[in-house]
Amino acid sequence: GNSVTQMEGPVTLSEEAFLTINCTYTATGYPSLFWYVQYPGEGLQLLLKATKADDKGSNKGFEATYRKETTSFHLEKGSVQVSDSAVYFCALSDQSGANNLFFGTGTRLTVIP
Amino acid sequence: GAGVSQSPSNKVTEKGKDVELRCDPISGHTALYWYRQSLGQGLEFLIYFQGNSAPDKSGLPSDRFSAERTGGSVSTLTIQRTQQEDSAVYLCASSLAGGSTDTQYFGPGTRLTVL
Repeated sequence: GNSVTQMEGPVTLSEEAFLTINCTYTATGYPSLFWYVQYPGEGLQLLLKATKADDKGSNKGFEATYRKETTSFHLEKGSVQVSDSAVYFCALSDQSGANNLFFGTGTRLTVIP
Repeated sequence: GAGVSQSPSNKVTEKGKDVELRCDPISGHTALYWYRQSLGQGLEFLIYFQGNSAPDKSGLPSDRFSAERTGGSVSTLTIQRTQQEDSAVYLCASSLAGGSTDTQYFGPGTRLTVL
């Protein structure tokens, strides 16, 4: 079956610190991988995605590389800002059925000045 | 252009009552999804519509849940005889063609509280 496991939160970092949020997956086929972000009071929005092995998704200084050998898609940012405070969700979409997203449990990030 | 919209934003109902939640997808998107976000279960898939095809209902938790999509656009999720465990945020998403690589765009959600 399909599942996503991501780092438990909450994570609290000082501004300009390095961020890593771990995400690993199990999939029956060849999934596409996504990071979605939910800012306080807002809806889910796509942060970045990668659709095949070794692809790197990037956006707003965040990066994640699709690693098929370790079934991982870890999210990284070199220098976080207060405005990055949000809940981050790792997700996969497999090439079967509805192509619906399977989400991890979410990781709450708080960045303090 | 406009994003995915949902209404109402909040709904409080009494146990046993029926509720209807509405979703307006992005114009031109053929695929529409309903998800549920709850404290105990996280984000879970409910149902999927693709064009005029029969919906994929594999995620619906019980037969009290149903959904329809009229004219390939607006969708309504109906929950009959609501229970307290139905309390959650119901999210609608749409994508251009429903492919596994397509980005799904989410609405703001409807927060349902069953008393």
